[in-house]
Amino acid sequence: QSALTQPASVSGSPGQSITISCTGTSSDVGSYNLVSWYQQHPGKAPKLMIYEDSKRPSGVSNRFSGSKSGNTASLTISGLQAEDEADYYCCSYAGSSTWVFGGGTKLTVL
Amino acid sequence: QVTLKESGPALVKPTQTLTLTCTFSGFSLSTSGMRVSWIRQPPGKALEWLARIDWDDDKFYSTSLKTRLTISKDTSKNQVVLTMTNMDPVDTATYYCARTAVAAYYFDYWGQGTLVTVSS
Repeated sequence: QSALTQPASVSGSPGQSITISCTGTSSDVGSYNLVSWYQQHPGKAPKLMIYEDSKRPSGVSNRFSGSKSGNTASLTISGLQAEDEADYYCCSYAGSSTWVFGGGTKLTVL
Repeated sequence: QVTLKESGPALVKPTQTLTLTCTFSGFSLSTSGMRVSWIRQPPGKALEWLARIDWDDDKFYSTSLKTRLTISKDTSKNQVVLTMTNMDPVDTATYYCARTAVAAYYFDYWGQGTLVTVSS
């Protein structure tokens, strides 16, 4: 499987909104409503932020939202806060009980 | 609460076999639908899914690495073991184990990760 495509970096000022895209293929992102998003702070394990394209786990701020259109999924963070600065990874089920991750996006809060 | 913790050697030599253990608590791999995966991350690089084992002992592997990987479980010890043969410096990475709950297709709990360096 080829990695999903994410922008290497995005940035925004506190209070602003940003969107991170995640582009796959009709064999992964486009075939299943099973994209998840993970936040990773330096030296820490990834943390689940969004699952099944747009659902938020209990305890995750409603400033985080997910969506999908065709082969591209998106993560939007509204009301940016300094603590949101981290790496973000998308992940899609790719069939046959396998998963594929994106290349990761570094979010900088200016 | 659910916790997972990886353990294994911090340094292995090229061509050696790596054995990593994931010890977990707060759930049972004998529960129908429960699954545990291994995922790795080279320094400064992206996450890569490696393998998964299910409650019923079904096993699944990354297409690109399947010839080198073996995943197994010891339900009585709440452990999942990953072996990777013929280690190479490009396999230097932090290795994570992560849980996938019943009827889920995402990783809801992760271990802290263990850094494995491959060097002679």
